[in-house]
Amino acid sequence: GAGVSQSPSNKVTEKGKDVELRCDPISGHTALYWYRQSLGQGLEFLIYFQGNSAPDKSGLPSDRFSAERTGGSVSTLTIQRTQQEDSAVYLCASSLRGDNSPLHFGNGTRLTVT
Amino acid sequence: GENVGLHLPTLSVQEGDNSIINCAYSNSASDYFIWYKQESGKGPQFIIDIRSNMDKRQGQRVTVLLNKTVKHLSLQIAATQPGDSAVYFCAENTIKTIFGAGTRLFVKA
Repeated sequence: GAGVSQSPSNKVTEKGKDVELRCDPISGHTALYWYRQSLGQGLEFLIYFQGNSAPDKSGLPSDRFSAERTGGSVSTLTIQRTQQEDSAVYLCASSLRGDNSPLHFGNGTRLTVT
Repeated sequence: GENVGLHLPTLSVQEGDNSIINCAYSNSASDYFIWYKQESGKGPQFIIDIRSNMDKRQGQRVTVLLNKTVKHLSLQIAATQPGDSAVYFCAENTIKTIFGAGTRLFVKA
């Protein structure tokens, strides 16, 4: 079946511009996560959606970052006024439920801010 | 955020040898643990999981050990192959899933 899909796969933007990254989770998965991964490093938690509950935004690094999940399905991560330090791979994952179920990842969006 | 700015530790093993990758977790309330494998240019992929009521679980060529007393996980890979070369992450879950720092495994032919 279809896995988690992220678009675009690569994005190059100029410093100061806004970007939107999209994630299509696996159908029926109630939980959705965004992580950030800098080159050669670990996964930094950004935000977590579980069903209709208020999202856990505790990992967002600044107020330039926001995310929404419409209709419990597709999610968009928005970065406003991008900075060079925002350059990274942004990974989306979904799971059947929030606890005790493994995450299924997309292949990420590689963001480069010039 | 968690695990930001950490350079990944590395493990180098000879093809055919067994590999052991270790991970310390932080939350004693975590009740579900997962190992993921990440190959270059891809998202992490599920390998094996274990719940806190178990201390060992075996899969195909992989075994996960859980020591709740010292909050330690390990992943054992038997007869390591070149295709096992990747970065391996442990993750812990209570309400949400948090990842450990990761270990880069190199397999020498």
